[in-house]
Amino acid sequence: ETGVTQSPTHLIKTRGQQVTLRCSSQSGHNTVSWYQQALGQGPQFIFQYYREEENGRGNFPPRFSGLQFPNYSSELNVNALELDDSALYLCASSPGTSGGQYQETQYFGPGTRLLVL
Amino acid sequence: GNSVTQMEGPVTLSEEAFLTINCTYTATGYPSLFWYVQYPGEGLQLLLKATKADDKGSNKGFEATYRKETTSFHLEKGSVQVSDSAVYFCALSQSASKIIFGSGTRLSIRP
Repeated sequence: ETGVTQSPTHLIKTRGQQVTLRCSSQSGHNTVSWYQQALGQGPQFIFQYYREEENGRGNFPPRFSGLQFPNYSSELNVNALELDDSALYLCASSPGTSGGQYQETQYFGPGTRLLVL
Repeated sequence: GNSVTQMEGPVTLSEEAFLTINCTYTATGYPSLFWYVQYPGEGLQLLLKATKADDKGSNKGFEATYRKETTSFHLEKGSVQVSDSAVYFCALSQSASKIIFGSGTRLSIRP
């Protein structure tokens, strides 16, 4: 069973550019969540996708958008990058419903570290 | 709104010392509570969880008990090792989507 993987591991962009981060969920998981972790802070929820539909969104502007694909992998897109977007971006997957109950536990990938100059 | 408050670090202990990292939460109803650990250069790993009042989560010698009356979920370990050095995050989940994290506590263990 493979865990959550993310690519790339590191990325440097300049202000105003656009970036796409990718995530492959753990085998058997149909739900993917994205978090932003600024240096020295706890992760902040960006949004979640369940079976290719957005299923909750945190307090992030519309320039943060996402996709989930039929194989449950996911992308996070950020347009018009700002300096404050520099952070570790974490993807987490969860199995959704298992045994008739929603499974809340999320399993995290290693993250993509984004630096905006 | 829901929130998590945990003791600020860094916390520095000698090997084999007793560890407590305090965590309190604010939430309506009965959230699930978690401790996640982040080792240097790695992503978050689930350490333990508890889903209802008085539940005790445990893993790798760490324990935390869900205390509804004090809205707390303190992390404890009886004898820490150098390999326990990491950042520890207390967190709660009350919906089908997001997890709310505390700001993290950096733990350093001296040999």
